[in-house]
Amino acid sequence: KNQVEQSPQSLIILEGKNCTLQCNYTVSPFSNLRWYKQDTGRGPVSLTIMTFSENTKSNGRYTATLDADTKQSSLHITASQLSDSASYICVVSQSYIPTFGRGTSLIVHP
Amino acid sequence: DTAVSQTPKYLVTQMGNDKSIKCEQNLGHDTMYWYKQDSKKFLKIMFSYNNKELIINETVPNRFSPKSPDKAHLNLHINSLELGDSAVYFCASSQDRGLAGVAGELFFGEGSRLTVL
Repeated sequence: KNQVEQSPQSLIILEGKNCTLQCNYTVSPFSNLRWYKQDTGRGPVSLTIMTFSENTKSNGRYTATLDADTKQSSLHITASQLSDSASYICVVSQSYIPTFGRGTSLIVHP
Repeated sequence: DTAVSQTPKYLVTQMGNDKSIKCEQNLGHDTMYWYKQDSKKFLKIMFSYNNKELIINETVPNRFSPKSPDKAHLNLHINSLELGDSAVYFCASSQDRGLAGVAGELFFGEGSRLTVL
């Protein structure tokens, strides 16, 4: 069964600190992996997309990594800001079928 | 100029009532979706339409009936509402359904929070 597991479930950090969110998946065959950011009361918005041949992708202070052999991805946030407080969802796709993780809730305190 | 818009944003109703949520996208995408997000924030796909054709129909009670009058609209009608239907419903669209083997980026609406009393 295709599954996407994210950790930690929730995370609290101080503004300016770095953090890393984890995503492990069993989706096969693999098409691509996306990280979405969902602000409270809003719909998710895509941050990064990675395909099988890519092992790192950056979008500003967000850097995603992918290890297709171990089926793991991480999202690293550098110099966190208050606006980074949100839920981060890992989505792994098998052809056109996306499998969603349950998300990591990040709270950034001043 | 909102890309994916859904109405209403909030909906409070009594058990047993029938309600509809409307969704429109102006991105020119071929595929539209309905997702349900429960209290634990887990997004679960309900339906997917590609060019008005139903392509994904997950295990959803038949009280839920999607309707796509054209590829820019996908509405969700719910009959005989139950307490367990309370959730946030998200409409989304994507450029294609991955015919080339690559799932497209999902563009979500702002969500419709349904509360059944």
